[in-house]
Amino acid sequence: EIVLTQSPGTLSLSPGERATLSCWASQILSSNYLAWYQQKPGQAPRLLIQGASRRATGIPDRFSGSGSGTDFSLTISRLEPEDVAVYYCQQYGNSPFTFGPGTKVDIK
Amino acid sequence: QVQLVQSGAEVKKPGASVKVSCKTSGYTFSNYYMHWVRQAPGQGPEWLGIINPRAGTTKSAQKFQGRVSLTRDTSTTTVYMELYNLRSDDTAVYFCARGDSSGFGLFDYWGQGTLVTVSS
Repeated sequence: EIVLTQSPGTLSLSPGERATLSCWASQILSSNYLAWYQQKPGQAPRLLIQGASRRATGIPDRFSGSGSGTDFSLTISRLEPEDVAVYYCQQYGNSPFTFGPGTKVDIK
Repeated sequence: QVQLVQSGAEVKKPGASVKVSCKTSGYTFSNYYMHWVRQAPGQGPEWLGIINPRAGTTKSAQKFQGRVSLTRDTSTTTVYMELYNLRSDDTAVYFCARGDSSGFGLFDYWGQGTLVTVSS
């Protein structure tokens, strides 16, 4: 089973600041099968990024993903109040499909 | 538009079983795998298993093998997840999530979630 680790656990920033979230995999992810999801309280996760760097349909361009192999990151270029959420990375190439523990993003 | 609508909240006693439904619409049911994911309070999501709606074949995560059953009804485009021998640590929100046509675990649409509470 591929284990994903995320840091930091919580990120508190001011509106307009840049947020960088990290995700590490316990083994190389084939074809960069790494996704990022956003989850707001009481809602299902929402797909943001697939293939490590491709934005899903309708996702604003302030969200970007990068990385390869075992090291990945999600960047929110200019934080907006509606970006307050927990962000999960997930590997989707090898069953069981696993998620990281999440990074909570707060607004100061 | 794609919609996944799940059945309502359940309260069960330890040792009982629960069956959650997920009614799909807005796309060709047989063309996309369907997954089940759960999320315990304050925890990250956890994948339970996958069903091929066309063939009815399934695969579950090893920790749930023998305790979960995934089925589908093509006439109503509904998928079901039944979890047996419930324990208190099965208390979670259970989601159905649409995968792709190849069986990879990328989830583009999700149901609203079904809270299952296991308590004596």
